[in-house]
Amino acid sequence: AQSVAQPEDQVKVAEGNPLTVKCTYSVSGNPYLFWYVQYPNRGLQFLLKYITGDNLVKGSYGFEAEFNKSQTSFHLKKPSALVSDSALYFCAVRDTMNYGGSQGNLIFGKGTKLSVKP
Amino acid sequence: NAGVTQTPKFQVLKTGQSMTLQCAQDMNHNSMYWYRQDPGMGLRLIYYSASEGTTDKGEVPNGYNVSRLNKREFSLRLESAAPSQTSVYFCASRRGRGYEQYFGPGTRLTVT
Repeated sequence: AQSVAQPEDQVKVAEGNPLTVKCTYSVSGNPYLFWYVQYPNRGLQFLLKYITGDNLVKGSYGFEAEFNKSQTSFHLKKPSALVSDSALYFCAVRDTMNYGGSQGNLIFGKGTKLSVKP
Repeated sequence: NAGVTQTPKFQVLKTGQSMTLQCAQDMNHNSMYWYRQDPGMGLRLIYYSASEGTTDKGEVPNGYNVSRLNKREFSLRLESAAPSQTSVYFCASRRGRGYEQYFGPGTRLTVT
C-alpha cells in the first residue's frame, strides 16, 4: 500500500541550529514528493516539491529537502532554525496507484510538530 | 488573487443538523479537494473533483456529499451531522498533475 511516514511526532531544536524533519515513503513508480507547513489556525502552505532532477530541492523560507531513492526518504532540512519556523510540517506523496482523475491526489503523513526554542 | 477561500470559518451544529461548507478558487485550477484534519491523523481526503463535472470519493466519504458547481466552486454537504464529524475541514485546488495543491484557511466545525 502506498504510504508516507513521519517517524517523529515532535522535533525540538534551538534557534540557530540546523533542523531536520524526517519523511519516508512507499509508492509504486516514480514518486512526486511535497512538503507543506501549517502555522496555528491556518491552512497548509506549500514549501517545496521533488518531481525529477536534482536530489536536493530548495524551497521557501530557506528550507530544502533531499530526495534519497535508495532509502525512500525525503527529509526536510534548514541550516539555521528560526523561532518563527515553529509549526506543523507535513510530508506528502502523489497517489500513483489509481488512474484517471485520482492520479495526482496526495497522501499525507501525520505531521511533525517543530518547536524552535530561543 | 484571493487563492482558495472557504466559508464559514467556524460553525457549531447540533447532531442531526445539516450544513454546506463552501469553497471557491480563483486560480482557474482544474482539480479541487476536500480534506478533514484531526489531531494525530494528518489530512484525510473526503472527496475530490478532478475536473468540472466530475466528483469521486476519497478515503473517508461516509456522511458527506459534494457538488462541483462550476470550475471555481466545490461545496461539501453534511446531511445529518454527527459528533464524529467534529473536525477542521480544508478545501484545496490544483492546476494539474505534478503541481502542488493550494489550501484554503479551513472551517472549524463542532458537532454537539
